[in-house]
Amino acid sequence: QKEVEQNSGPLSVPEGAIASLNCTYSDRGSQSFFWYRQYSGKSPELIMFIYSNGDKEDGRFTAQLNKASQYVSLLIRDSQPSDSATYLCAVSNNDMRFGAGTRLTVKP
Amino acid sequence: EAGVVQSPRYKIIEKKQPVAFWCNPISGHNTLYWYRQNLGQGPELLIRYENEEAVDDSQLPKDRFSAERLKGVDSTLKIQPAELGDSAVYLCASRYTDTQYFGPGTRLTVL
Repeated sequence: QKEVEQNSGPLSVPEGAIASLNCTYSDRGSQSFFWYRQYSGKSPELIMFIYSNGDKEDGRFTAQLNKASQYVSLLIRDSQPSDSATYLCAVSNNDMRFGAGTRLTVKP
Repeated sequence: EAGVVQSPRYKIIEKKQPVAFWCNPISGHNTLYWYRQNLGQGPELLIRYENEEAVDDSQLPKDRFSAERLKGVDSTLKIQPAELGDSAVYLCASRYTDTQYFGPGTRLTVL
């Protein structure tokens, strides 16, 4: 079992729709959870982090964490073509472990 | 504020040749990471430094890879000799509190 699992996609949504990205992790001791966006040929950039169970909202982005289910998700509201990228889920218990990423395409 | 700086951005070498990558972290960031990212995969941790001390190098292939962070600032990652399977993007990141900031990476191609 991989430490951090994501659906590789591609996930395709129309412009203006909600994109939902999911991630599960295996280490119950994980303390911090991150979502990174990576455009093709570029390095990952941090979108959001979440530490506590529940929802955390930042603009069009909402991160959701359920530690009991070892599940973290990212919702992107009003998706834009510029949101098209690979989204990496990362989980930290001192060191960061990344999922393989989900490729998102937002179609105009 | 300048971000994480890496050089070179691209490197093409023949197998069995040595190669070195350089990283300058964000000023004041004591924690530095080297990752390797293969196509279609997430970054994979190679080594983590706290200041000049390597505190986690369990994923570093020590037969051919080495790293150093003299004076706790800049860091160098070396591969000698390189193999075809080493072709990847090598990312450096530095950390402030819980957040890691990535450099642009070095894309290595081994022929």
